[in-house]
Amino acid sequence: DIQMTQSPSSLSASVGDRVTITCRASQSITSYLNWYQQKPGKAPKLLIFAASTLQSGVPSRFSGSGSGTDFTLTISSLQPEDFATYYCQQSYSTPHIFGQGTKLEIK
Amino acid sequence: EVQLVESGGGLVQPGGSLRLSCAASGFTFINYWMSWVRQAPGKGPEWVATIREDGSEKKYVDSVKGRFTISRDNSKRSLYLQMNNLRAEDTAIYYCTRDERGGHLQQWGQGTLVTVSS
Repeated sequence: DIQMTQSPSSLSASVGDRVTITCRASQSITSYLNWYQQKPGKAPKLLIFAASTLQSGVPSRFSGSGSGTDFTLTISSLQPEDFATYYCQQSYSTPHIFGQGTKLEIK
Repeated sequence: EVQLVESGGGLVQPGGSLRLSCAASGFTFINYWMSWVRQAPGKGPEWVATIREDGSEKKYVDSVKGRFTISRDNSKRSLYLQMNNLRAEDTAIYYCTRDERGGHLQQWGQGTLVTVSS
């Protein structure tokens, strides 16, 4: 199975900050990397798929990059509604494993 | 509007069985792979199983192989997860999801809680 390692596991930041979360796959997944945002009590919400494609309706301050084994999610200017937990997921081969998550908290 | 509505969760003893259902609406169900994803309390999501559009191909995470069976009834626009020999570690919210081309999960249900405890 392909393992996904996210870092950091938690992050404190302020409104307006630029934030980067990384995700590393244990082997190449080409561009089959997706990012989700989850708020307490809600289902995960798709933000970015295929490493860098922004899901419709997601603000442009979110962006994704990378290919192969190393990927990043960047939030260019944090807004109050962005404080949540973020997960990466590979969909290159089953099982489509998720990363362990990055909890983004207000500083 | 796309809707996925799960049902069938509840409290079950270890070793017991439960069948989850997911009713789909607002899209052409037969055109999509469908999956189940679960999330244990305080943990991240875990992909559980997926099924091809016509039901001819099914895949599972190792921890549920031989105990869980994913199925679908395209005439009823419904997805199912039969869970047997349940263990405490199966306790989670179970989400029904629609797979897009590329495997990303754009549509999620609200989830149904399964608690395995004596």
